[in-house]
Amino acid sequence: QVQLQESGPGLVKPSETLSLTCTVSGGSTSSYYWSWIRQPPGKGLEWIGYMYYSGSTNYNPSLKSRLTISVDTSKNQFSLKLKSVTAADTAVYYCARVRRDGYNLAGSYYYYYYMDVWGKGTTVTVSS
Amino acid sequence: SSELTQDPAVSVALGQTVTITCQGDSLRTYYATWYQQKPGQAPVLVIYGKNNRPSGIPDRFSGSSSGNTASLTITGAQAEDEADYYCNSRDSSGNHWVFGGGTQLTVL
Repeated sequence: QVQLQESGPGLVKPSETLSLTCTVSGGSTSSYYWSWIRQPPGKGLEWIGYMYYSGSTNYNPSLKSRLTISVDTSKNQFSLKLKSVTAADTAVYYCARVRRDGYNLAGSYYYYYYMDVWGKGTTVTVSS
Repeated sequence: SSELTQDPAVSVALGQTVTITCQGDSLRTYYATWYQQKPGQAPVLVIYGKNNRPSGIPDRFSGSSSGNTASLTITGAQAEDEADYYCNSRDSSGNHWVFGGGTQLTVL
């Protein structure tokens, strides 16, 4: 059974870089898409971005200029780096495995994605 | 504000049926995925695709879609269904993902 575990510093200073790692056990990162999601205190979920194991990425436009998601298949890990953080980046950060499937609609083929395995989440506070 | 709109709160009597909705232009083309989140826990996938349930999700959960609205229906709500529910799909460009604001379900 695939399990995901987030790890990284729980406290980051403003203007510094937030770095988190998600370790995949019971499965391989050499397939599937892999995603990061966050949840500020008392608020809803926010999609951060995802990466395919081969290297293609898709980022939230509001974070794209500060964000890097990467995969290390040799370590069975994927990571998130968010530069120039502020207090607004304080949140619980989740990693998740992403599955993709497709369907036909009006003669066109579309993909849909869903996150079927989630880590327990890690709290990151941005504060001096 | 999110491109997917959900009612902030919904309540249902124990054993009754409740429908949680998610509205957005992208839902005319793309499926919504539904996640359940209980306090202090990670979200859990409950519905994906046209109307698919992962293993372990009770069959009282079902999904549907019409026009720009996706719906999650719980038929015979149980006390353990009390949670926040989030829809997730594409944004209006179709290129990125977005979550709805979430619906807090109370089972009375």
